[in-house]
Amino acid sequence: SQTIHQWPATLVQPVGSPLSLECTVEGTSNPNLYWYRQAAGRGLQLLFYSVGIGQISSEVPQNLSASRPQDRQFILSSKKLLLSDSGFYLCACTKGTSGTRTDTQYFGPGTRLTVL
Amino acid sequence: GQQLNQSPQSMFIQEGEDVSMNCTSSSIFNTWLWYKQDPGEGPVLLIALYKAGELTSNGRLTAQFGITRKDSFLNISASIPSDVGIYFCAGQWAGANSKLTFGKGITLSVRP
Repeated sequence: SQTIHQWPATLVQPVGSPLSLECTVEGTSNPNLYWYRQAAGRGLQLLFYSVGIGQISSEVPQNLSASRPQDRQFILSSKKLLLSDSGFYLCACTKGTSGTRTDTQYFGPGTRLTVL
Repeated sequence: GQQLNQSPQSMFIQEGEDVSMNCTSSSIFNTWLWYKQDPGEGPVLLIALYKAGELTSNGRLTAQFGITRKDSFLNISASIPSDVGIYFCAGQWAGANSKLTFGKGITLSVRP
């Protein structure tokens, strides 16, 4: 079964500083990958998804960007953080196309970002 | 756009009681999923439903895919303290790059 790693687990950054969050996936190939943000006490908002290397779709206008340099690596970045970027960032993946159920999304442990 | 409605926002039950949570949508979905999130962790998939009318169990959990494809419910029987957490429903369209639409979640508290 697939395993999703996210790094770092927590991060405190000043306003205006850059950001790089990493998500790596093990145990599957050619997965769809997703970045979500969860504000405190709120639901999950889809930020980006990727169906393959170098292919990124943005769901909402924002201060963030995403990249997929390798099949099982998904990066969330920002050049200048805003206070409103604070939140819990979750990476998710679907099983690769070799699976019979390709639709189910599985989540990583998340990164808690606090922008001060 | 598509929205999923989960209410109430919070539920408080006594240990040992059963609890039922509903999720409704203004649009139909091909797949319904139920997740549980513990504080500070990522959501964990509880049950996935793929066919209208499907009833699926996972231990003390039972979920059903509504006949109209616009709703789903999750039942937890004989609740225990570790059932505490946020329960999210999610709907999915086939072929939509597996993107999910999430409800806002229900926070469940279990009194011992």
